[in-house]
This record gives sequence, C-alpha cells and structure tokens, in this order.
Amino acid sequence: DAKTTQPPSMDCAEGRAANLPCNHSTISGNEYVYWYRQIHSQGPQYIIHGLKNNETNEMASLIITEDRKSSTLILPHATLRDTAVYYCIVSRANDMRFGAGTRLTVKP
Amino acid sequence: SQTIHQWPATLVQPVGSPLSLECTVEGTSNPNLYWYRQAAGRGLQLLFYSVGIGQISSEVPQNLSASRPQDRQFILSSKKLLLSDSGFYLCAWSTGTGRANVLTFGAGSRLTVL
Repeated sequence: DAKTTQPPSMDCAEGRAANLPCNHSTISGNEYVYWYRQIHSQGPQYIIHGLKNNETNEMASLIITEDRKSSTLILPHATLRDTAVYYCIVSRANDMRFGAGTRLTVKP
Repeated sequence: SQTIHQWPATLVQPVGSPLSLECTVEGTSNPNLYWYRQAAGRGLQLLFYSVGIGQISSEVPQNLSASRPQDRQFILSSKKLLLSDSGFYLCAWSTGTGRANVLTFGAGSRLTVL
C-alpha cells in the first residue's frame, strides 16, 4: 500500500531531459520524498531525497511542489544507461515501501 | 567505507526444503536492516526490517522469518519453502540516524523453488 502514484512507463530520447512525476497527495509534514532506480537484475540504487526544498546532486534534480503533494525527478541528459525502473517513496520512518515505479526507456 | 554482502547469490531449492539467506554489513554500527522480495516482473515487497539486535518487524505474514543475531547480521529463513517463495531477495541497510533514511542495497539472492 504505497503512498505514491507514478505512471507505469515513460520513454525519453537520448540526450534529452527525462522528467518523472510522482503524486503523493497524502504526504505528512515530516515525511521525506525518496527516489531510487533499479536496473534489470540489480538491487535498487539511491538517487536523491528531499523534504521541502528542491534538491540537486550529480545524478538528478528533485523538484517538490510547494504543497508537497507531488514531485518530479529530472535526469538532465538521459543516456541509454538510465533505462531502469524508477521508484518514488514517501516515508518518515523505517518502513520504506516501494510501489510499482515507472519504467523509463531511453531511446537512441 | 560501508559495504553490504549477501549470499548465496543464486540457489535452487525443492518445495518443502529449508532456506537461509544471510546478509552482513561492514563499516558501520547499529544499522537499520531490511529484507525485500521481488517476484518476477513485480515491484519490491518489504518483508522485514530491524532497528537493532533482536528487534524484528514483520510486514507480511507468511512462512518466512528473520533474525538478527549480531549487530550487522540479518538472516532470512524458512522451514519449508513454497513455490510462491521464488524471487529475488534483497537486503538493505541504512544508518538509522538523522531524519532521512537512505537505503543501500546488496546485490541480491535469486531463489528458485521447484
């Protein structure tokens, strides 16, 4: 019973920005938004997390709306190696539950 | 630096046989530890998590159990495997400190029950 909603799949052209949306309309004030990705047959990889402010690291940017009810993960220049399932998680505690995620396919 | 180890990487077991998967973390102390399962073509299902030795929270009632005999060791067990236990089992850890809870996953153990 994940608390997030993501589109099941998305395509992106290589070299273009990939924008992955996540809805978390029931998020509470002390819950973080986390993003992970899973490349086929591997364990998930942490990408980024945030609470209220937008965040950026070497992998991606996280944009959280002012009401915190949705967020967008941005991969600025997608490559073929970014093809994976991307998971958005909302949690304040130790029970980190993954939903179905978005399968991103980067196409040449 | 911290590392996480899982073994065995793959195993094939007959229905009704026992199971033991082991996970250890190096380079940290008092981590939060997690077991997830991923059935073929499905998402990750949280099975158990532990915030300390002997403290196990079970998320899904089933024929699996978990134990944490040492601070950095987490074991997933079953007395009698079912066909539905087949899947990709992932162990993860987090620091357990601070307000954010960033997970680091192991390479996984792929179980096939025949």
